[in-house]
Amino acid sequence: AQSVTQLGSHVSVSEGALVLLRCNYSSSVPPYLFWYVQYPNQGLQLLLKYTTGATLVKGINGFEAEFKKSETSFHLTKPSAHMSDAAEYFCAVRNAGNNRKLIWGLGTSLAVNP
Amino acid sequence: EAGVAQSPRYKIIEKRQSVAFWCNPISGHATLYWYQQILGQGPKLLIQFQNNGVVDDSQLPKDRFSAERLKGVDSTLKIQPAKLEDSAVYLCASSLGDRGQNYGYTFGSGTRLTVV
Repeated sequence: AQSVTQLGSHVSVSEGALVLLRCNYSSSVPPYLFWYVQYPNQGLQLLLKYTTGATLVKGINGFEAEFKKSETSFHLTKPSAHMSDAAEYFCAVRNAGNNRKLIWGLGTSLAVNP
Repeated sequence: EAGVAQSPRYKIIEKRQSVAFWCNPISGHATLYWYQQILGQGPKLLIQFQNNGVVDDSQLPKDRFSAERLKGVDSTLKIQPAKLEDSAVYLCASSLGDRGQNYGYTFGSGTRLTVV
């Protein structure tokens, strides 16, 4: 069965510092991988996705993620944090097979300190 | 384009009462999803519609939850009777086709339900 593990339920960084949110997955076949962001009292917004092709994926708001098959990871990064990046971030995986359900991580809450 | 509309934004009810949520997806989106997000957890798919047909409702607690999308456009999700553990944010999402879970889809702002 597929699963997603987000390491660290809470991450705190200083404004201008590197943001690194970790996501590891398990899947028996090539996965489709997603990062979503949820701002307070709002719905989920797609940040970026990996389906096939280039393993370094660029998303909105300066975020990017790299699919590393050997490490079964899809970590989310941003070179310089902004105060507006404070939110909940969710990693999700969808098996490329017939089971089309998204499997979600528990989320990582990112705090950005001035 | 207009986003996914949900109402109400907030609802507080007593246990054993009934409640209904409404969702209007993006125009032209054939697939509609209802998710339950309990505080501190990731979203859980309750039901997926393709037009007005149910594609997946395997995680819908059918003894108390029901959903419909009669005309293949907007949808309602009902809970009757509500339990304390139903307190959560109920998210609606839509996508052009059933490949939404391949390529991501658009979420509404959600309805925050508190059962007391």
